[in-house]
Amino acid sequence: NAGVMQNPRHLVRRRGQEARLRCSPMKGHSHVYWYRQLPEEGLKFMVYLQKENIIDESGMPKERFSAEFPKEGPSILRIQQVVRGDSAAYFCASSPLPGTRNTGELFFGEGSRLTVL
Amino acid sequence: GESVGLHLPTLSVQEGDNSIINCAYSNSASDYFIWYKQESGKGPQFIIDIRSNMDKRQGQRVTVLLNKTVKHLSLQIAATQPGDSAVYFCAERTGGGADGLTFGKGTHLIIQP
Repeated sequence: NAGVMQNPRHLVRRRGQEARLRCSPMKGHSHVYWYRQLPEEGLKFMVYLQKENIIDESGMPKERFSAEFPKEGPSILRIQQVVRGDSAAYFCASSPLPGTRNTGELFFGEGSRLTVL
Repeated sequence: GESVGLHLPTLSVQEGDNSIINCAYSNSASDYFIWYKQESGKGPQFIIDIRSNMDKRQGQRVTVLLNKTVKHLSLQIAATQPGDSAVYFCAERTGGGADGLTFGKGTHLIIQP
């Protein structure tokens, strides 16, 4: 059973370009979370999605950032017009049950490291 | 500010000694806590969890202690090994929400030979 798969592992973009980060949850998991981690910092919650629904996006910047989790295919975190401050590691996690009812354990991917030049 | 935090950014221990990593939280509504281990260049990995109706839970070589009176959480690692070198994060769930976990900043555990 493959774990949470994220790609690309490393992404370099110039200011103003778009970044797309993909996340395939573990098999059987329909709940996906995105977190951002700055160097020497903890993980900051961004968004929680179920298939075709955004459940909680309270941690996501209002502009330039969007996320989706379509019925088919991976979850995608999209950052438009990237700026240097977007440079970070972006982690995706999945769980088999909703956040309100599960044990809380999230299974994390290896992360996508975005560098904005 | 952060509702979950750690007392020390770095902890250095001798191989074979026991390690104690501490975490303070401020949200008394938190009902569930997890410790994660993150090795360099990798994603966080679950270590052990504890619910707020417990004060101690043991795993293999690890023990988590919860003191709700002072809102303090600790992770004890017995007989620390080189493979334990990593950053350790405590995380809390405030309950009733669907937004996953809130993480502290982490403690970097360094194992000295």
